[in-house]
Amino acid sequence: EVLLVESGGGLVQPGGSLRLSCAASGFSFSSYSMNWARQAPGKGLEWISYITSSSTTIFYADSVKGRFTISRDNAKNSLYLQMNSLRAEDTAVYYCARWEQQQLVFDNWGQGTLVTVSS
Amino acid sequence: EIVLTQSPGTLSLSPGERATLSCRASQSVSSSYLAWYQQKPGQAPRLLIYGASSRATGIPDRFSGSGSGTDFTLTISGLEPEDFAVYYCQHYGSSPKFTFGQGTNLEIK
Repeated sequence: EVLLVESGGGLVQPGGSLRLSCAASGFSFSSYSMNWARQAPGKGLEWISYITSSSTTIFYADSVKGRFTISRDNAKNSLYLQMNSLRAEDTAVYYCARWEQQQLVFDNWGQGTLVTVSS
Repeated sequence: EIVLTQSPGTLSLSPGERATLSCRASQSVSSSYLAWYQQKPGQAPRLLIYGASSRATGIPDRFSGSGSGTDFTLTISGLEPEDFAVYYCQHYGSSPKFTFGQGTNLEIK
């Protein structure tokens, strides 16, 4: 069974930093591209970052470019999101999601971790 | 930049009825790159449809997708109580790489 478990969320002040982790199991993590997406309270889904299996290609949404950094450690079956210069509008549940290249979809999602940016 | 607009924002129906949800793209897109997801309160999204019309593994056949070009539809025939949720369409493109519609809230009437 594919399992994605996010951690690292919490309360942080504006301008602060936070590092999210996503622990993957039940599949060959090193064979899949991965993503981070988020959902502000009461709002819709927003994709924010993508990384290929070998970390050779990375994309960011404009809303986080220059502030967030995605990375992965295939030896540890883990995905990361380093978030710097956080703003109130970054408050959201952050999900990691596996990218299925054949179907071109996010086929498995974690349960999410809440990040609250507030003073 | 492709924008996905979903309608209606909220759809109120009763169990057993047929639901028709729309997703309109701001420009023509390949149906291969259009997917639908279901999200229930407090849960992660769940993949329903890929390639505009193919059901994901384990998805009941009352869920069907159709469309091409700029207009896509998710149809749920014979609503079950567990189908009441928010539905999102999603496009895989170039820039931005991945786009979601704003969602349709399917609620019990």
